[in-house]
Amino acid sequence: EDQVTQSPEALRLQEGESSSLNCSYTVSGLRGLFWYRQDPGKGPEFLFTLYSAGEEKEKERLKATLTKKESFLHITAPKPEDSATYLCAVQAETSGSRLTFGEGTQLTVNP
Amino acid sequence: NAGVTQTPKFRILKIGQSMTLQCTQDMNHNYMYWYRQDPGMGLKLIYYSVGAGITDKGEVPNGYNVSRSTTEDFPLRLELAAPSQTSVYFCASSYQRYEQFFGPGTRLTVL
Repeated sequence: EDQVTQSPEALRLQEGESSSLNCSYTVSGLRGLFWYRQDPGKGPEFLFTLYSAGEEKEKERLKATLTKKESFLHITAPKPEDSATYLCAVQAETSGSRLTFGEGTQLTVNP
Repeated sequence: NAGVTQTPKFRILKIGQSMTLQCTQDMNHNYMYWYRQDPGMGLKLIYYSVGAGITDKGEVPNGYNVSRSTTEDFPLRLELAAPSQTSVYFCASSYQRYEQFFGPGTRLTVL
């Protein structure tokens, strides 16, 4: 069974204080790892897909990296508007298009 | 493009009532999904479809039914609503096994 564990559950940062969110996964053959952002009362918004260990993708203050067992979402000099819940999901080679989601990390960035 | 749209936004049902959650996408995606999200939890897949006329169960299908008669629409039917079905429901779509795009959600309360 595919499993995704995100840590920490919640993270409070001061504006400008860089940090990382972790997504550990167990999957029988990873096809892709997906990062989403979810604002309160809204649907998840797609950020990145990573397909192979060593791959990195960047978007503004966010950078996602992937190893064979985990992924990190690095947030550089965050701003209050980066406050959201960040969800990680894995797609196995054998699961078609289905995703297994973690429970998310709730990020709060204080001004 | 409107993307993925869902109606209604909010609904309160009494135990034993039935209802249909509507989902429409205008991106010509062949794959569509229904998830539920309980407070503090990740997304759980209810049903999915890889094309018109083709549906399959996800992780938590009990108490729900789906149909897919067109590419654009993927309604979710709740029969005999129970308090355990109180949740936020998200519809999503994707082109093949690529990233999924989510709707704004339907918040359902069963009393």
